[in-house]
Amino acid sequence: EIVLTQSPGTLSLSPGEEATLSCRASQFVRSIYLAWYQQKPGQAPRLLIHGASRRATGIPDRFSGSGSGTDFTLTISSLEPEDFAVYYCQQFESSLSTWTFGQGTKVEIK
Amino acid sequence: QLLLQESGSRLVKPSQTLSLTCAVSGGSISSGGYSWSWIRQPPGKGLEWIGYFYHTGSTYYNPSLKSRVTISVDGSKNQFSLKLSSVTAADTAVYYCARFFTSADRYVDSWGQGTLVTVSS
Repeated sequence: EIVLTQSPGTLSLSPGEEATLSCRASQFVRSIYLAWYQQKPGQAPRLLIHGASRRATGIPDRFSGSGSGTDFTLTISSLEPEDFAVYYCQQFESSLSTWTFGQGTKVEIK
Repeated sequence: QLLLQESGSRLVKPSQTLSLTCAVSGGSISSGGYSWSWIRQPPGKGLEWIGYFYHTGSTYYNPSLKSRVTISVDGSKNQFSLKLSSVTAADTAVYYCARFFTSADRYVDSWGQGTLVTVSS
């Protein structure tokens, strides 16, 4: 079973700064099976990135995804006030037909 | 526009069975290219995938919950259901139903609003 480890647990930044979030997998993950979500308090998660680097419909271009294999990154180029939230990576393991989420990274206002 | 709406018991006693239903509108659960899933989130914690089914009828469950979970489908009503048996306080969570896109990339493209289920006597 693939385990996703996100780091850091909490990122304290100011608006306008760049955020770099890491998602590391315990085994190889196909890029097409790696997605990123944003969740705000009291809301369901929202898809940001799929296929490791493809922005979902309506997602601003300040959000970008990169990486392959076992190391993936979500970058927010210049934080807007509405970007302070929790971010999750997710992968699909085709050999087991199972899904897993990382434990999340909270981006908070410094 | 696809809408998913969870309903069911919000308070369940320990050792009993949690039951939830997800009503889908704006799309058919029988169409290909998607799987339909349950995901939960304990208060203040992260997301946990519970299980899903394909339109073909195949179901898959999180190994950690497999012995207690059943997902069933009612195509005539365009809805699917979750049953989780022998619940404990650790099963207290917001439960989401969701649709996974599965044609190529794999990701959740639609979520229900979520429903908080509390396990307590």
